[in-house]
Amino acid sequence: KNQVEQSPQSLIILEGKNCTLQCNYTVSPFSNLRWYKQDTGRGPVSLTIMTFSENTKSNGRYTATLDADTKQSSLHITASQLSDSASYICVVSDRGSTLGRLYFGRGTQLTVWP
Amino acid sequence: EADIYQTPRYLVIGTGKKITLECSQTMGHDKMYWYQQDPGMELHLIHYSYGVNSTEKGDLSSESTVSRIRTEHFPLTLESARPSHTSQYLCASSGEGGSGNIQYFGAGTRLSVL
Repeated sequence: KNQVEQSPQSLIILEGKNCTLQCNYTVSPFSNLRWYKQDTGRGPVSLTIMTFSENTKSNGRYTATLDADTKQSSLHITASQLSDSASYICVVSDRGSTLGRLYFGRGTQLTVWP
Repeated sequence: EADIYQTPRYLVIGTGKKITLECSQTMGHDKMYWYQQDPGMELHLIHYSYGVNSTEKGDLSSESTVSRIRTEHFPLTLESARPSHTSQYLCASSGEGGSGNIQYFGAGTRLSVL
C-alpha cells in the first residue's frame, strides 16, 4: 500500500526560530513530491514540488529536500513568523497512471507563538 | 492566488436533504478533483474528471455524484445527506502535463449534517 508518513504530528515553536518537518513515503513508482501549506479552514496551497532528480528546492523561507533513495523529504522553515502557523502536508505523486495519483500525508500542525 | 471557487463555504443541513456543492475554476484546466478531509486526517480523493463529460470515482467510496458539463464547473451532489457525510469537501484542478502539474485547491466547503 502506498503511504506517506509525516512527523511530528504537531509542533510548537517561538517566532523567529527555525524548524524542520519530516516526510517518509513508500509510493512507487515515484513521480514527484510536493509540500502544501493549509491554513485552518482553507484549501492547501503549493509551496514546492520536486521530481526524482531534484535534491532541494526553496521558496522564500521554505526549503524542501528530497532523498529519493531513502524515500525521505524534509521541509525546513527559517525565521518562523506567526503566519507560518498552519498544517504542512506532504504529497507524493506516482507515475503509474495518466492521472498521476496523489498520496497525501496527514500533515504536521505547526503553531508559531509570539 | 488560485482562481478556483467553492460555494457555499459552510453548510448546515438536516438529514435527508439534497445538496449540491459548487466548484468553478477560471484557469481553463481540464482535470478537476473532489477530496474529502476530516479534521487531522489526510485528504481522500472521491471523484475526478479528465474533462467535459468525463467523471471517475476516486479512492474513497462516496455516495455523492458529480457532473462535468462545462470545463469550468464540477459540482458535487448528495441526494440524501446523512450525518456520516459531515466533513470538509475540497475541490481542485490542474492543467496539462500529467502528474507534474500542481493541483490548485479551492477554500473548501465545510458540511455539517444534523
